[in-house]
Amino acid sequence: AQSVSQHNHHVILSEAASLELGCNYSYGGTVNLFWYVQYPGQHLQLLLKYFSGDPLVKGIKGFEAEFIKSKFSFNLRKPSVQWSDTAEYFCAVSLPSGYSTLTFGKGTMLLVSP
Amino acid sequence: DAGVTQSPTHLIKTRGQQVTLRCSPKSGHDTVSWYQQALGQGPQFIFQYYEEEERQRGNFPDRFSGHQFPNYSSELNVNALLLGDSALYLCASSSGSYNEQFFGPGTRLTVL
Repeated sequence: AQSVSQHNHHVILSEAASLELGCNYSYGGTVNLFWYVQYPGQHLQLLLKYFSGDPLVKGIKGFEAEFIKSKFSFNLRKPSVQWSDTAEYFCAVSLPSGYSTLTFGKGTMLLVSP
Repeated sequence: DAGVTQSPTHLIKTRGQQVTLRCSPKSGHDTVSWYQQALGQGPQFIFQYYEEEERQRGNFPDRFSGHQFPNYSSELNVNALLLGDSALYLCASSSGSYNEQFFGPGTRLTVL
């Protein structure tokens, strides 16, 4: 079975700092990769996804992620964070043949101070 | 266009009781998945319904059961509640082969 590991449970940054959240997965075959975000009091929302093709994926709100197959990683990045990026971020994987069911990491809580 | 809706928002039960949670998928979606999110954890897959059948199941005991109706809405039932069942229960809907799931706001279940 596949699993997802997120390196940091809590990250605190100042506005305009750069962000990188780590995500590694364990599965030997092809996977689909996702980053979801949960803003305070809101639903889980999809930030970006990777199925195939260009390993550098751009999502909403200036976020991007890079799939590095050799490292089983899918790290999330943003060059300059804003206070409104304060949220919990979840990395997730699914199998292309797995009826879209998601396996999530434990999440990273990002706090951006103004 | 309404997104995924869930009811109730909050629920308090005692050990041994049974509970039913409800979900209406996003318009045009035919697949409903349920997830359990314990405090400080990521969501864990419970099961998925498609064409009124349970299509896939995660590592949850038989106390967790579900149903999907002809209008694609779904219920999650949990019998013989345990304290450890306290969690946020998320419903997600999807359609097609691109694996994007849309999540509802969740039902917060507290078992005392």
